[in-house]
Order: sequence, then C-alpha cells, then structure tokens
Amino acid sequence: EPEVTQTPSHQVTQMGQEVILRCVPISNHLYFYWYRQILGQKVEFLVSFYNNEISEKSEIFDDQFSVERPDGSNFTLKIRSTKLEDSAMYFCASSPYRGNYGYTFGSGTRLTVV
Amino acid sequence: GQQVMQIPQYQHVQEGEDFTTYCNSSTTLSNIQWYKQRPGGHPVFLIQLVKSGEVKKQKRLTFQFGEAKKNSSLHITATQTTDVGTYFCAGPGTASKLTFGTGTRLQVTL
Repeated sequence: EPEVTQTPSHQVTQMGQEVILRCVPISNHLYFYWYRQILGQKVEFLVSFYNNEISEKSEIFDDQFSVERPDGSNFTLKIRSTKLEDSAMYFCASSPYRGNYGYTFGSGTRLTVV
Repeated sequence: GQQVMQIPQYQHVQEGEDFTTYCNSSTTLSNIQWYKQRPGGHPVFLIQLVKSGEVKKQKRLTFQFGEAKKNSSLHITATQTTDVGTYFCAGPGTASKLTFGTGTRLQVTL
C-alpha cells in the first residue's frame, strides 16, 4: 500500500536553530498538509498546500514557518528559529482530492527543541 | 472557529466489553471522518460518513453520523487488545483542512 514517508524520524535541535522536516507524499496525490501533535494532545492543523502554493494556514503557522515543494516529490516544512514550544510530533499528510476524502499520514517527525 | 469535541477523553475497558466515543462539532459538517492512532503511531484513516443519519460498519466497529450532521459516534463491540489507541473524529473546517476532535484514548486490558 502506498505510504507517505517522513524524515528524519527524530530531530533534536537547539533553540533558535533552523530545522527542515521532509516528506515524500504519495505520488498521485495532489493535496498536502502539515499537522502537529504536542504529546498527548489533539492533532492540530498547520498548513495545506496545492498546486505549488499554500491553500490555507492556521494561526500557529506564523512567519517562522514555511513550506516548499522543491522538486515535485518532496514536501518540506521549515521552522526558521525554533522555540521550546515547537517541540511536538509533526505529521505530513496527503490526499488525492480536496476536502471530502481521507488523508494518508506519514509516521511523523518528533522534534525536540532544547 | 470550528470546534470538535469528543467524550470521553479516556476509557479503560476489559477485553470483551463494548466501547463508544461521541463526537460533537460546533458547526454543521459536510462529512465526518474517523481516524485511529496507536500509541506512538500516526493517525490512520478508518472511514468517512457523508449522509445525514448514515450508519456504516467495519467488522466490530459501527460508525454513525447524526441527523443534523453535527455529531457522530463510534461503537466497538467486544473490544480486543488490538483496539487500543486514540480515536479521533475529524471534520472539514474548510475545503482545505480537516479539524480534528480532541480524541478518546481507549485502553483495553485482559
């Protein structure tokens, strides 16, 4: 069964450093998402991406965050200057259709900011 | 903004007992989706309900979408240890995002 692949599985970074989280969505999917989950809490929407541009972003997704699809297969989330409160599990997801269709999630990147 | 709440937050059952989680949205939904997240894992899509009053079954799991399309439930009959995890409902906040519910964590012991 097709999978969404995320790397790395775990990243530890110092506060103020930049991190790039990488995702390879399912090849024929057109809609891409980043979500995050602080330990034990709900899954929170960060951003959706379609046709090489952001479709929607949440209030969490401030100027420190950016997304890119640099080469037609990878989908990246960059955090420019990490804060302690950015520590969370970050999930990439993709879907073939907009809105009314289940998402396929990757296995996530656990980001720890120290 | 849209809020999606689930109750209970946590339930501990003995294997063989039934389990139900309830999901309530502050807004009417075009559809409701259910996901399961095993401990340490990622959300896995289970099912989508679209029609008012719709009921769908997957083996021991029964999913229902309310008549007003603002609530939903997931019922598991005769739980097994493999059912352990957190169950999330999710509804479209807009066409470009899903809003996840607060989740119900299910623990099953022998």
